[in-house]
Amino acid sequence: DAGVIQSPRHEVTEMGQEVTLRCKPISGHNSLFWYRQTMMRGLELLIYFNNNVPIDDSGMPEDRFSAKMPNASFSTLKIQPSEPRDSAVYFCASKILSGGNTGELFFGEGSRLTVL
Amino acid sequence: KQEVTQIPAALSVPEGENLVLNCSFTDSAIYNLQWFRQDPGKGLTSLLLIQSSQREQTSGRLNASLDKSSGRSTLYIAASQPGDSATYLCAPYTGNQFYFGTGTSLTVIP
Repeated sequence: DAGVIQSPRHEVTEMGQEVTLRCKPISGHNSLFWYRQTMMRGLELLIYFNNNVPIDDSGMPEDRFSAKMPNASFSTLKIQPSEPRDSAVYFCASKILSGGNTGELFFGEGSRLTVL
Repeated sequence: KQEVTQIPAALSVPEGENLVLNCSFTDSAIYNLQWFRQDPGKGLTSLLLIQSSQREQTSGRLNASLDKSSGRSTLYIAASQPGDSATYLCAPYTGNQFYFGTGTSLTVIP
C-alpha cells in the first residue's frame, strides 16, 4: 500500500516567492496533519483537518501560511511570501479518525524547504 | 497544554545492550501513545501504538509500556543493533492532536 505521499521532496527558493507543498494521505484516512520540523523548535503542529475540514490552525505561524484540503485525497500548504526563517522540513501525516480515536499516525517523507 | 519530556536526550551504547528510553507527559487524559523512530533526513516511522487501556505492546525486540495515571511510557529495546541508531520520539494523543517530545538520539556502537 502507498503511504503518505509528499511533493516536492526538496524545494529551494528565494525570499518573497510563493511555495506550495502537496500531500496525498493514505487512502481511507480522514484526518490529516501538517507539521514543521526544525533543529531549534523540534516538531510543531501547524494545522490539522478532519474529514477535509480545518479543525485547529492555531499553529500556523502567520497569515503568510495557508492550508487547504479540497478533497479527501489531497492537501496543500502554501507560504506566500516565503522568508528565510521558513526554512524547515514540512511533514504531512494522516490517520483514521475512528470513534475511539485509536488510529495510528503515519508520516510522509517530508518536504525540505530552503528559502534563500 | 500537554508537555512531553524524553530522557535521556542522547544515548550511546555498545551493540548487544538492552536499553530503556523514557517518555513523560503532563496530561494523563490520553487516548493512546505512539512511539516513532526518525532516521536522519527521513520521515517518522511508527514503531508501536499503545492504547490507553493497555499496559504493554510488543513488536519484535521492542516493548513499550504505558502508565497513564503517572504520565509515563517507556520503550525497551532488547539486544540493540547498529541499525537501531536513530532518534526515537514519543507522542501521546489527546483525541485532537499528538504532542511530540524532542526525542532521544540513540547511537549503537558496533
